[in-house]
Amino acid sequence: GQNIDQPTEMTATEGAIVQINCTYQTSGFNGLFWYQQHAGEAPTFLSYNVLDGLEEKGRFSSFLSRSKGYSYLLLKELQMKDSASYLCAVLDSNYQLIWGAGTKLIIKP
Amino acid sequence: IAGITQAPTSQILAAGRRMTLRCTQDMRHNAMYWYRQDLGLGLRLIHYSNTAGTTGKGEVPDGYSVSRANTDDFPLTLASAVPSQTSVYFCASSEEGGSTDTQYFGPGTRLTVL
Repeated sequence: GQNIDQPTEMTATEGAIVQINCTYQTSGFNGLFWYQQHAGEAPTFLSYNVLDGLEEKGRFSSFLSRSKGYSYLLLKELQMKDSASYLCAVLDSNYQLIWGAGTKLIIKP
Repeated sequence: IAGITQAPTSQILAAGRRMTLRCTQDMRHNAMYWYRQDLGLGLRLIHYSNTAGTTGKGEVPDGYSVSRANTDDFPLTLASAVPSQTSVYFCASSEEGGSTDTQYFGPGTRLTVL
């Protein structure tokens, strides 16, 4: 079967750094996406990784290790507006997205 | 219109009724998708369309049908709603289907079936 695992909830402090992990087992791999979803809103695209390594985009970075079936999203200099759910999704061999249940990130002042 | 719009925003429906959720995009994307999102579960693909005139089944297609008469519109129909179809429904689109193109999401429709 196909499986994407992420922690259900994480708490961090404003100004700090947080790492959200995602592990996956899928039939094929054509890349991994991270999306942000604020409560009651649509998911919005953050990053896409298909090669091993770290991709940096401002305060957000995403890492991929294909051999380990592992990715993480790193958020630096946390702001209150970063309170949201973060969704990990893998593009499988049929180019369909398989989604994790999401990690709810709570930022405290 | 900018991006993807969905209608209605929310709906309460009696079991057994027929309901069509509307989705329109103005980005001229070839591929469109319907997902449902339930608490504690990841987004699940219901149906998709890689180009106007074609549709395909996703992970959870039972009880739902779609059509793609043109590039812009991709309605989702529940022929006879059941309480287990209570969910938030998101429509999405991408430039091409069967590719690594990013999917962009509409604002969602919150559906309650009683």
